[in-house]
Amino acid sequence: GAVVSQHPSRVICKSGTSVKIECRSLDFQATTMFWYRQFPKKSLMLMATSNEGSKATYEQGVEKDKFLINHASLTLSTLTVTSAHPEDSSFYICSARDPSRGFDTEAFFGQGTRLTVV
Amino acid sequence: KQEVTQIPAALSVPEGENLVLNCSFTDSAIYNLQWFRQDPGKGLTSLLLIQSSQREQTSGRLNASLDKSSGRSTLYIAASQPGDSATYLCAVSGNTPLVFGKGTRLSVIA
Repeated sequence: GAVVSQHPSRVICKSGTSVKIECRSLDFQATTMFWYRQFPKKSLMLMATSNEGSKATYEQGVEKDKFLINHASLTLSTLTVTSAHPEDSSFYICSARDPSRGFDTEAFFGQGTRLTVV
Repeated sequence: KQEVTQIPAALSVPEGENLVLNCSFTDSAIYNLQWFRQDPGKGLTSLLLIQSSQREQTSGRLNASLDKSSGRSTLYIAASQPGDSATYLCAVSGNTPLVFGKGTRLSVIA
């Protein structure tokens, strides 16, 4: 199956700094990628839809200036958490579908990134 | 707005038992439903994908069913093993990206 790679898997940063998380589709080109956030023992919440070559679409309540998304190529989307605070600590996961297989096919997920802000 | 509910939230069974996990969704206008497995601190592993036109899918000891009209899906795990211990998530895809349930945390006791 298609592979989505996410890096880093774990990061600890100081309050006020910025952290970049990368999501790559390894064997297909993804015009659209999705970023999710997961709180402990909670479901995955969609944060934003990343669109190659255009602005991301953010879900209601997600601060676009805080969670910067860039989708500069067909295989890479990045999520930057700016001026991180301890409440940003969470598990972030990206997802993509292989568009060549159709819009209603299986979604593949990255390994996730555990962010801890101290 | 699509809402996905999973019952039970947690389940503990002895090794070898067959078990059923339940998933329900409020809007039946879906493209497909996907079951995932998540190990602690890890990403999601896709287990089964059921298209809206399908009734069930099987993979090894796993069988997933879909009743779109009633908004329900079940994941059946046969002859459970300790290695099956994980959180199982269902998610539906419609006109919006995947909407997830909160998951069922499964523990299989040796």
